[in-house]
Formats: sequence, structure tokens, C-alpha cells
Amino acid sequence: GAVVSQHPSRVICKSGTSVKIECRSLDFQATTMFWYRQFPKKSLMLMATSNEGSKATYEQGVEKDKFLINHASLTLSTLTVTSAHPEDSSFYICSATVPTGTGNTIYFGEGSWLTVV
Amino acid sequence: LAKTTQPISMDSYEGQEVNITCSHNNIATNDYITWYQQFPSQGPRFIIQGYKTKVTNEVASLFIPADRKSSTLSLPRVSLSDTAVYYCLVVGYSSASKIIFGSGTRLSIRP
Repeated sequence: GAVVSQHPSRVICKSGTSVKIECRSLDFQATTMFWYRQFPKKSLMLMATSNEGSKATYEQGVEKDKFLINHASLTLSTLTVTSAHPEDSSFYICSATVPTGTGNTIYFGEGSWLTVV
Repeated sequence: LAKTTQPISMDSYEGQEVNITCSHNNIATNDYITWYQQFPSQGPRFIIQGYKTKVTNEVASLFIPADRKSSTLSLPRVSLSDTAVYYCLVVGYSSASKIIFGSGTRLSIRP
């Protein structure tokens, strides 16, 4: 079963509004989660590292005031796209790392489609 | 961060064995190699992970040579439902280790 869950799977919002996407780790605690963005037929692009209890670390070129990340608990990270515009429409994916006996294994959420109209 | 390089695309037929190779020349000592499968509009799904030599599970095998600078994912007897994008990732020892995705390999299976 899924170990990382995202919600909502699809969302449509109007230009200028904000939308929040949740990423939850199921049955394990994740001090670090990652947020990715993916355009059609392209690879995943790392946006930011979400750190529990501290500020997120953003990749170069990603606007931190545009993509607000909050990691208030060990099982939940949220990505808020503020003042959304049509160019923010994309597939957003989160991931969390689970320590296993054979090293760390990364699990990804189901993804969230954002359409800004 | 270890960069990975894979073929952009591959074609095969149902029932065939498919081998996808990935190069990761600057892999670090504590890094693991992990392969994922992604279908359209879904998050990547874990397939297999290994450190060296050979690992096998119910869906695939992973071959890693002694120098660990490459790895090969082997899918036995593929079916149409194996049509997807396959990503090779190098995963660090720390849970905070970032992952940089390469292009992935778009595998198309034909009847």
C-alpha cells in the first residue's frame, strides 16, 4: 500500500487564488520531504526540500514566496501555490525517505494535478 | 549529487526480456541504486534497490558491476502494461539527501 499520500489528486483554481497541496507520510515519521514539479513528458524537477520544524530549502530558480512550504509535523508537509497563474499549472509530486535494512528507500506520493484557469 | 544517464527510449515486444542500463559514474561509497516506474499522471513507483552485485524480486532484477558506475534493470517477459517511464536514481545515505532525476527511459511495449 501507499506509504506517502497526497491530497488533492486534482485541483482547479482561478488565477490569483492560492491552493494548498498536502503530503502525508503514512505509518512513519519523515523529518525531510521533497517537492517536485513535472511537466507533461518531462522528468521530475526538484523544487524544494521540506524540513520539519524549520524553513524549507529551495532549489535555484524556485520562488520561495510563490511556493510556500510548511512542515509542521513529522507526518505532514504542505505546498501552497500563492497567487496562482496559468503557468503554475503542472503535476506536483512529493516524496519521503524510509530507512530500510538495505539503505534509504524513497517513496513518492500519487501526485497532484494543478490547473489554473 | 550523482548524475544518472539512461537511454531516452526503448521499444520491445510482449514476452521479451528488457534490459535498461543506467550510468552513474560519480556514485559515492554509501549511495544505493534504485529504480522507479512511472505511469502518466502518477507518482513514481518503487521497483527495486541494490548496492552491488545482483538483486532480484518478484518483478525485476538489478545487476550492478563491481565498480558500481552503472546498473542494469532487467524486466523478464514484459507485457503491454510495462509501458512506462523508468528512472534510475542514486540514493544517498542520509534521509535528507536530495535526488536529482535524469531523463528516464520511456519504454514502449508492442503486441
